[in-house]
Amino acid sequence: NAGVTQTPKFRILKIGQSMTLQCAQDMNHNYMYWYRQDPGMGLKLIYYSVGAGITDKGEVPNGYNVSRSTTEDFPLRLELAAPSQTSVYFCASRSVQGRYEQYFGPGTRLTVT
Amino acid sequence: QKEVEQDPGPLSVPEGAIVSLNCTYSNSAFQYFMWYRQYSRKGPELLMYTYSSGNKEDGRFTAQVDKSSKYISLFIRDSQPSDSATYLCAMSAVLSGGSNYKLTFGKGTLLTVNP
Repeated sequence: NAGVTQTPKFRILKIGQSMTLQCAQDMNHNYMYWYRQDPGMGLKLIYYSVGAGITDKGEVPNGYNVSRSTTEDFPLRLELAAPSQTSVYFCASRSVQGRYEQYFGPGTRLTVT
Repeated sequence: QKEVEQDPGPLSVPEGAIVSLNCTYSNSAFQYFMWYRQYSRKGPELLMYTYSSGNKEDGRFTAQVDKSSKYISLFIRDSQPSDSATYLCAMSAVLSGGSNYKLTFGKGTLLTVNP
């Protein structure tokens, strides 16, 4: 049971480039989330999904897109990278039943220059 | 007023000290309270989970919730250098219909335990 996995671990992008951050979970969780974490700013929700085919915006969705075609995968797409998107990105998942805690992946550290 | 306030620290204590970490919140609908621990360059991991008011103890860690004051605490007894990390509080409300999908996080407190 790998939990929540994220790839890549690190990435450097040039301004205007695009990339997809991958997230997968093997816990059969319906809910999945993308956060960004900037120094001293806590975790900010970018997008979330309550099941395959259903996604919605969080607090800071501008510049990002998501899709959820399977229960397991929840990729985050950056279309035109900007320096303001330099951050650490965390994916998380949660079961729809029981407790409310979210399980986090190890993160992707992204630098846009 | 922010929904969740957490002193960012940093907090530096000697090994063996008792550590107290705190969050205040404004939303009286919050009923589920969590503490996450995040080591440097790692993802947050759940440390403690409590429902409604009261105390919960797990080894050296005690989580306390005072809903009347909208105040939650995490106490670490006999702190160890391995406890050095950022601690984030998180909480969730229960909406009508019985489900909610979001956690509201504090910004985290950076703790260093010195040998």
